[in-house]
Amino acid sequence: GAGVSQSPSNKVTEKGKDVELRCDPISGHTALYWYRQSLGQGLEFLIYFQGNSAPDKSGLPSDRFSAERTGGSVSTLTIQRTQQEDSAVYLCASRPGGQGDYGYTFGSGTRLTVV
Amino acid sequence: AQSVAQPEDQVNVAEGNPLTVKCTYSVSGNPYLFWYVQYPNRGLQFLLKYITGDNLVKGSYGFEAEFNKSQTSFHLKKPSALVSDSALYFCAVRPLGGGTDKLIFGTGTRLQVFP
Repeated sequence: GAGVSQSPSNKVTEKGKDVELRCDPISGHTALYWYRQSLGQGLEFLIYFQGNSAPDKSGLPSDRFSAERTGGSVSTLTIQRTQQEDSAVYLCASRPGGQGDYGYTFGSGTRLTVV
Repeated sequence: AQSVAQPEDQVNVAEGNPLTVKCTYSVSGNPYLFWYVQYPNRGLQFLLKYITGDNLVKGSYGFEAEFNKSQTSFHLKKPSALVSDSALYFCAVRPLGGGTDKLIFGTGTRLQVFP
């Protein structure tokens, strides 16, 4: 596609439920990132995928958070047993991944509200 | 710890006046530096980046930024603000080395341009 696509755009869920957030990166982009944007907190790095390399999971806040990237394309961020503090906008970005490339393209995000 | 600071939560400026949005960083080595803008309910849009070379970088929509190595700053500037520039602005750095190329973001500065 022309840009990074995220779905759903909005998600309201009850505390304790599991949610899945989807990211479709730009076709051919090998690098994919998930960030969380909380009010007043800026953008918090969650996880990074690059090709077939092991993902950098250093930003995942707890073991309730996980992500996978199937076939080097679509990525799903899963939050289990959601808590109210998980409410935030979850942003996905992709990048071609080549050496010397700095073109991070962001999606519009998924606004998650845990009630 | 590597970090980015945007000391102003909000900057107010009259249309036609020059604007400055401040950013300082604390990372080892010479990082790559970025500015992004976020309009309501939209993802982050790339404005400009500094990789190497001339310290004054020109970007989209008439914005520019000056890299100051001694002050570890990368302030965003525009000679004449427009009401349509009102948005949330994020400074980001990509530290070099360490095996990952994630961006580290500041907490954002809301720019309000008054007619």
